[in-house]
Amino acid sequence: EPEVTQTPSHQVTQMGQEVILRCVPISNHLYFYWYRQILGQKVEFLVSFYNNEISEKSEIFDDQFSVERPDGSNFTLKIRSTKLEDSAMYFCASRRLVWEQYFGPGTRLTVT
Amino acid sequence: GIQVEQSPPDLILQEGANSTLRCNFSDSVNNLQWFHQNPWGQLINLFYIPSGTKQNGRLSATTVATERYSLLYISSSQTTDSGVYFCAVAEKLVFGKGTKLTVNP
Repeated sequence: EPEVTQTPSHQVTQMGQEVILRCVPISNHLYFYWYRQILGQKVEFLVSFYNNEISEKSEIFDDQFSVERPDGSNFTLKIRSTKLEDSAMYFCASRRLVWEQYFGPGTRLTVT
Repeated sequence: GIQVEQSPPDLILQEGANSTLRCNFSDSVNNLQWFHQNPWGQLINLFYIPSGTKQNGRLSATTVATERYSLLYISSSQTTDSGVYFCAVAEKLVFGKGTKLTVNP
């Protein structure tokens, strides 16, 4: 069964460094999403992406964040200058035409 | 924006017991999903159920869209059912705070 994959599973970085989180959505899906979950809290929407552009973003998704679909398979989230409060689990999700979203296993980002 | 409330926040059961988890949402939606977050943090899709009833093994779910709530039923619970259950609605999924389920042997 096709699934969303994410790499790395865990990333440790120092404050101020840039990180790129990578996702490979399900191959025939059209809509792509990033969410984050701070430890012990609920999952929060960051950004949605369709037809090679951002379709919606949350207040969390400020100028430090960017997304890209550099080729036909990868979908990346970049954080330009990480802060301690960016420490969280980041989930990628995708869907085709039906509203149901499929989530990847997540990348745990730890900023020290 | 849309609000999602889940109850109860915590639930402790003995293995073999049944349970009902509830999700209330504040506006009409075209998407409602139930997830199980396992101890490793992965979000496992349980149901896509914007309306109606579905069953998958020991789990079933019902959404009454006109009354803006959904229920997740777990029957004959097992220790592996432990974790956090999330309800999420709308296109940019809005998650509830979850129900933390602990099933004791």
